[in-house]
Amino acid sequence: QQPVQSPQAVILREGEDAVINCSSSKALYSVHWYRQKHGEAPVFLMILLKGGEQKGHEKISASFNEKKQQSSLYLTASQLSYSGTYFCGTEIEAYKYIFGTGTRLKVLA
Amino acid sequence: GAVVSQHPSWVICKSGTSVKIECRSLDFQATTMFWYRQFPKQSLMLMATSNEGSKATYEQGVEKDKFLINHASLTLSTLTVTSAHPEDSSFYICSAPGQGRPGELFFGEGSRLTVL
Repeated sequence: QQPVQSPQAVILREGEDAVINCSSSKALYSVHWYRQKHGEAPVFLMILLKGGEQKGHEKISASFNEKKQQSSLYLTASQLSYSGTYFCGTEIEAYKYIFGTGTRLKVLA
Repeated sequence: GAVVSQHPSWVICKSGTSVKIECRSLDFQATTMFWYRQFPKQSLMLMATSNEGSKATYEQGVEKDKFLINHASLTLSTLTVTSAHPEDSSFYICSAPGQGRPGELFFGEGSRLTVL
């Protein structure tokens, strides 16, 4: 089953923060996050391999709660360049991933 | 980072014709590649796993006779949409595992197919 993301869409002003959640009905052994601009391929942001792991990438960070089968992506002090659709993904076999339902993020000036 | 290139980036064809999309790993070898389909405002749906030197494995619900996959070399996988129909119009994206960070996938630029 496809992981479910929330919210489906969010609009922010530049400088505001956002949280995107990813929940799975199945056990998660790893979670990765991608951002996709309209009409382009997804771009890798980060991967979390262990439960409880947290990672950061510029002002974008993520956490992984293995027990709850959830991951959250945190965007702080959002910039216009953060606009796009964010997908979480989980590995179901070696390098074989399924992606979440997606969250459309729009940052306004 | 590793580069994956897709061609063509967009194609328009008539109903009933076949279209081939190429996916190349430019600076690394990929024994496995993945093909996804993405409808507007939806997520990427895994279609099949392309394996160099052997048959592709298809996800449930994906017709193997309609979406022919060939992985003839360590740097090239092709997806052929046979007898295309308007409902096959979509954004098709390939990906390959990189050789750097674990779990990192590198995606091609995507190919937008429009069937008239």
